[in-house]
Amino acid sequence: DVVMTQSPLSLPVTLGQPASISCRSSQSLVYSDGNTYLNWFQQRPGQSPRRLIYKVSNRDSGVPDRFSGSGSGTDFTLKISRVEAEDVGVYYCMQGTHFPLTFGGGTKVEIK
Amino acid sequence: EVQLVQSGAEVKKPGESLKISCKGSGYSFTSYWIGWVRQMPGKGLEWMGIIYPGDSDTRYSPSFQGQVTISADKSISTAYLQWSSLKASDTAMYYCAREGGLCWGQGTLVTVSS
Repeated sequence: DVVMTQSPLSLPVTLGQPASISCRSSQSLVYSDGNTYLNWFQQRPGQSPRRLIYKVSNRDSGVPDRFSGSGSGTDFTLKISRVEAEDVGVYYCMQGTHFPLTFGGGTKVEIK
Repeated sequence: EVQLVQSGAEVKKPGESLKISCKGSGYSFTSYWIGWVRQMPGKGLEWMGIIYPGDSDTRYSPSFQGQVTISADKSISTAYLQWSSLKASDTAMYYCAREGGLCWGQGTLVTVSS
């Protein structure tokens, strides 16, 4: 299985400040069609996960533009330019290139 | 509107069987993979397996192969996750999600306790 390693595990952030989450895969996520199937999800307390970013850097409809994704190959990053109170939750990266699909362990974002 | 609606919470005893469901609407059910995801209490997300309702092609994560059965009935746009003999360690929230993860069900809480 492809192992997805996220860091940090916990990220205390001051409101209005930036935040960055790293996700590394144990093998390249470039698929044979040239796409890289790396997605980012947000899970607020008590809610189902919500996709924020697909294929590394594409923001889903309705996702604030303070969220951005970047990276390539095995190294990926989710950035929040200015953290707001509603951003509290756990963030997961997920690879969809190789079966079985796998998630990172999650990063808990909280307000300092 | 694309929606996945899951069946309600279940409380079962060890050794009992269970089948939970996920009904899709607002899109062509047979054209997208549907996956099941486990979230144990206080823990992260784990892919269990995925099914293509168009032809019932099913893939399991090795950790869940032989432990659960994933199926679908395309005539009623519904996917299923079932257990033949539950264990206390199956206690978790279970989500279904459409291919790519854009749409998720609301989750089904399964509690297994004697």
